[in-house]
Amino acid sequence: AQSVTQLDSHVSVSEGTPVLLRCNYSSSYSPSLFWYVQHPNKGLQLLLKYTSAATLVKGINGFEAEFKKSETSFHLTKPSAHMSDAAEYFCVVSEGWDRGYQKVTFGTGTKLQVIP
Amino acid sequence: ETGVTQTPRHLVMGMTNKKSLKCEQHLGHNAMYWYKQSAKKPLELMFVYSLEERVENNSVPSRFSPECPNSSHLFLHLHTLQPEDSALYLCASSQGRGVGDTQYFGPGTRLTVL
Repeated sequence: AQSVTQLDSHVSVSEGTPVLLRCNYSSSYSPSLFWYVQHPNKGLQLLLKYTSAATLVKGINGFEAEFKKSETSFHLTKPSAHMSDAAEYFCVVSEGWDRGYQKVTFGTGTKLQVIP
Repeated sequence: ETGVTQTPRHLVMGMTNKKSLKCEQHLGHNAMYWYKQSAKKPLELMFVYSLEERVENNSVPSRFSPECPNSSHLFLHLHTLQPEDSALYLCASSQGRGVGDTQYFGPGTRLTVL
């Protein structure tokens, strides 16, 4: 069975400093992994995804994540936080399910606060 | 957000009401999903449709009834809901249904059950 653990429910950084949002996963097979962002009163927007190609994945808005199989981690980073990055971030794992469907499991989310 | 639209954006209903949530995707995708987002809980997958075939999450109560008349439209019919059903209901779509297919989300319907 697959699962996702986002290690921090809240992260607070100063504007211009690095961002690190941590995610660990468990999966029986080779999963696909995603990071989504949700701004208040909005739907989820895809930041980036890993699908067994390059282990360092670059996404939108300067975010990137590194897939580390040995550590079962998929942490999200950004070199310099911007005020507009304040939002909730979700780590997601996708595996095979019934009849060829993917089953996605979401983490509980990390709320990022950016301090001016 | 314009790729997947949801109406209404907000809904307040009593426990005896019947209402429906609507989702429409303009991306030419073949799979659509309903999720429930409650405070302090992970997103819960409720239903998956692919080319109008339904795969259910067995834990969803029967007071939630999905309908997918075509690959662009998805409905969630609600009846005799409970206050604990109050949540943000998100619709998503993806090109295919396989592992790694990116899901694109709508803005959600904020449902309050009185």
